[in-house]
Amino acid sequence: DQQVKQNSPSLSVQEGRISILNCDYTNSMFDYFLWYKKYPAEGPTFLISISSIKDKNEDGRFTVFLNKSAKHLSLHIVPSQPGDSAVYFCAASSLPYKYIFGTGTRLKVLA
Amino acid sequence: SQTIHQWPATLVQPVGSPLSLECTVEGTSNPNLYWYRQAAGRGLQLLFYSVGIGQISSEVPQNLSASRPQDRQFILSSKKLLLSDSGFYLCAWSVGSGYTFGSGTRLTVV
Repeated sequence: DQQVKQNSPSLSVQEGRISILNCDYTNSMFDYFLWYKKYPAEGPTFLISISSIKDKNEDGRFTVFLNKSAKHLSLHIVPSQPGDSAVYFCAASSLPYKYIFGTGTRLKVLA
Repeated sequence: SQTIHQWPATLVQPVGSPLSLECTVEGTSNPNLYWYRQAAGRGLQLLFYSVGIGQISSEVPQNLSASRPQDRQFILSSKKLLLSDSGFYLCAWSVGSGYTFGSGTRLTVV
């Protein structure tokens, strides 16, 4: 049973426009959420996080929104750049050291 | 600063051969250590995690095992590889929230 789902395996966006990546979860005990970016043949790198006590966290071009009632979070990238092309994973945790990752969304930003 | 080393970067092994992937962490003490696998269409699957020397928790039944002989060393092993063991293996550590990942090992079992 996939507790963290990223239902869009891929997304294409024009450079300069907004990229919206979505993530749904089923476990209401999850209280901390992360987004990672991964380039081919490299390990994922941390992008941004949000705890369940907040509904929005912003870091430069990246904003994560959390809707606890819908068990949904999204990552907004504005403006999108070609260098943002990568696979994005969301992850959720209810324990301090155990995260469940989604299956990832491949973002392609078109120049 | 904390760094994580993982090797080798790529590996091609025949079915039935043994496996040993090593991961070491520098610049931190008593980290939580993890082995993940990214298989096609499967996302990042947690295989093992360790909260201390000799303490290993297995998340999925499989052909693999893990060991932590030292505080900052985590080893992923197999006695006999299967074709289904092919994938991208990632070591990670955490102290508190979130992970720092290694650069990964691309394993192809032929």
